[in-house]
Amino acid sequence: EAQVTQNPRYLITVTGKKLTVTCSQNMNHEYMSWYRQDPGLGLRQIYYSMNVEVTDKGDVPEGYKVSRKEKRNFPLILESPSPNQTSLYFCASSLKGINTGELFFGEGSRLTVL
Amino acid sequence: AQSVAQPEDQVKVAEGNPLTVKCTYSVSGNPYLFWYVQYPNRGLQFLLKYITGDNLVKGSYGFEAEFNKSQTSFHLKKPSALVSDSALYFCAVRDIADSWGKFQFGAGTQVVVTP
Repeated sequence: EAQVTQNPRYLITVTGKKLTVTCSQNMNHEYMSWYRQDPGLGLRQIYYSMNVEVTDKGDVPEGYKVSRKEKRNFPLILESPSPNQTSLYFCASSLKGINTGELFFGEGSRLTVL
Repeated sequence: AQSVAQPEDQVKVAEGNPLTVKCTYSVSGNPYLFWYVQYPNRGLQFLLKYITGDNLVKGSYGFEAEFNKSQTSFHLKKPSALVSDSALYFCAVRDIADSWGKFQFGAGTQVVVTP
């Protein structure tokens, strides 16, 4: 089954404790991206990757890191989480091309930073 | 820079009535436009897209959307709403003139369909 898998789905942590949210897709998609969803703000793009070893900042990259060492994986790293990073996070992937672009989303990871 | 506006936080309709969810956009170049739906505790699901060609595009679950370049709008429509259409709907845009990877989402519109 084609899917984007995120882990963990739920996490409560404390300020400053490094954490990683993993994302894996099995569709051989070149493009992957991370979003955060906050009430009234919709989805805001954190980082995206056009292919292996190629990453770029989205609209809200501060406080986050990513890496793309393999095509299928795109982990989101919070080196020193703060309460304002409490949010619902989504990973998405897509084929890359002129007539494509529809995103396939994971089920989301709800993060609470105390 | 690209941006998307969904002017209504919530749209409420009775089952069987037509449903419209509004979206306007701003881009420097030409837009690629998308609609996604989010059911409770789930990720977003793709509904439809406009890339080029016919201004009226048809998508999943009986939804359609009309691209209007002069009004910079891409409203989502369904002729006869179902209770099961109750969900959060997001409009998204990608500017052809910008980096391929940059998507901009609207704030979302909560659709409530009453029995």
